[in-house]
Amino acid sequence: GDSVTQMEGPVTLSEEAFLTINCTYTATGYPSLFWYVQYPGEGLQLLLKATKADDKGSNKGFEATYRKETTSFHLEKGSVQVSDSAVYFCALFTGGGNKLTFGTGTQLKVEL
Amino acid sequence: DTEVTQTPKHLVMGMTNKKSLKCEQHMGHRAMYWYKQKAKKPPELMFVYSYEKLSINESVPSRFSPECPNSSLLNLHLHALQPEDSALYLCASSQRGPDLGEKLFFGSGTQLSVL
Repeated sequence: GDSVTQMEGPVTLSEEAFLTINCTYTATGYPSLFWYVQYPGEGLQLLLKATKADDKGSNKGFEATYRKETTSFHLEKGSVQVSDSAVYFCALFTGGGNKLTFGTGTQLKVEL
Repeated sequence: DTEVTQTPKHLVMGMTNKKSLKCEQHMGHRAMYWYKQKAKKPPELMFVYSYEKLSINESVPSRFSPECPNSSLLNLHLHALQPEDSALYLCASSQRGPDLGEKLFFGSGTQLSVL
C-alpha cells in the first residue's frame, strides 16, 4: 500500500538556519505530493504541492522538488524564522486510494 | 471567505452523553471530511461526504455518526464514546470530490475529552 516516511523530530534550529525535512514515499502509480503545516492549536494548512516528476512546489520561502528516481519530496527553506515553528506533514495522494496518506509529521522548533 | 469553522473548540463529555460537533464552510466546496488526530500523530480519515452523500467510511465505529444536512454543513454525532476516543477532531473541505487530490482546507478542530 501507499506510505510516507518522514524524518523523526523534533528538529531544533537557530533563526536564519537552513532547513531540510526529509520525506520519502512508496506508492503505486504516479502520486501527487504535498506538504501540510500545523501551527499549535490549529488545523492543517497546505504549504505546497507537486503533481508530477521534477515539479517544484514553493510557498513562503519553502520549496520541495518531486524526485521520482529517489521517490522523495524533501522540504527546504534557506532561512527559518521563529514563526516557522510548527509540525510539518508530508502527504501523498493517488487516485486509487481516494484519500491523502500522511507521514507521521516532523516538529520544527526555531529558537532565537 | 476561505474558512472552515468548527464548533465547539473544546468539548468534555461523559461516556453516556450524546453530543454533536459542527463544521461549516461557505466556499461552495462539494466534498467535506472528518479526521481524527491523536496527540503527536498524523490525522486519520474517518468519513468523506461528496455532493452531500457519504462516499467514504473508514470502518469507523457506529458510536460516531456523520450527517451532512446541506452542502455547507457537516455534523458528527457522538454517543457512548470511550476515553480512547479523546482526540482533536478536524473537519476539512475540498472544492470537488475526494478522488481528485485537491487542496484540503482544514478547520481548527474540536478538542474532545471523554471522561
